[in-house]
Amino acid sequence: DAGITQSPRHKVTETGTPVTLRCHQTENHRYMYWYRQDPGHGLRLIHYSYGVKDTDKGEVSDGYSVSRSKTEDFLLTLESATSSQTSVYFCATQEREGLYQTQYFGPGTRLLVL
Amino acid sequence: AQTVTQSQPEMSVQEAETVTLSCTYDTSESNYYLFWYKQPPSRQMILVIRQEAYKQQNATENRFSVNFQKAAKSFSLKISDSQLGDTAMYFCAFMSGGTQGGSEKLVFGKGTKLTVNP
Repeated sequence: DAGITQSPRHKVTETGTPVTLRCHQTENHRYMYWYRQDPGHGLRLIHYSYGVKDTDKGEVSDGYSVSRSKTEDFLLTLESATSSQTSVYFCATQEREGLYQTQYFGPGTRLLVL
Repeated sequence: AQTVTQSQPEMSVQEAETVTLSCTYDTSESNYYLFWYKQPPSRQMILVIRQEAYKQQNATENRFSVNFQKAAKSFSLKISDSQLGDTAMYFCAFMSGGTQGGSEKLVFGKGTKLTVNP
């Protein structure tokens, strides 16, 4: 698996405060993704990146922004956290071996917004 | 848009027995990939098995195998000789086989919670 770390692993914050989650990878994968996992919904894509400074929206992007200034780092920012953003957040990276595309996941960040 | 449906929210099996988890999907594409991920209580998402739609042969990985029925848009996971460590949430996922990097996003089903009983 790709060396993917996420920080922090757990965070409690208050409504209205900004929050930034970090994803760091050591495999030099070009593609990176942020998902959120909620009960009854599986994993849903928030934003993704297909290169440095190249990002796009996913299925549930409202209230989130991302940045990627280096290949190895992909940041997810909640500009003003809301209780509906309480969730577990997963980062993933994708390798591409010809036609063989696989996403590998980080350990997740549990976020609680009070 | 593609959708993935897992119709079994929960299942249980006795240790050493075989269990099959169901997954159906909806797409108009002919080139795509299908995956099963396992999420144990640690919450780590672990790739179990991968199937390329252009391959007729079903993928196998040790005790894990799939039954891929392209015409029926069905992709079930069979776990043989179930072990206690197989207890986890299992997610079926679809990825388009597009040529644009980054556009190949994963679409997940809602998961099946599998419990292996001693």
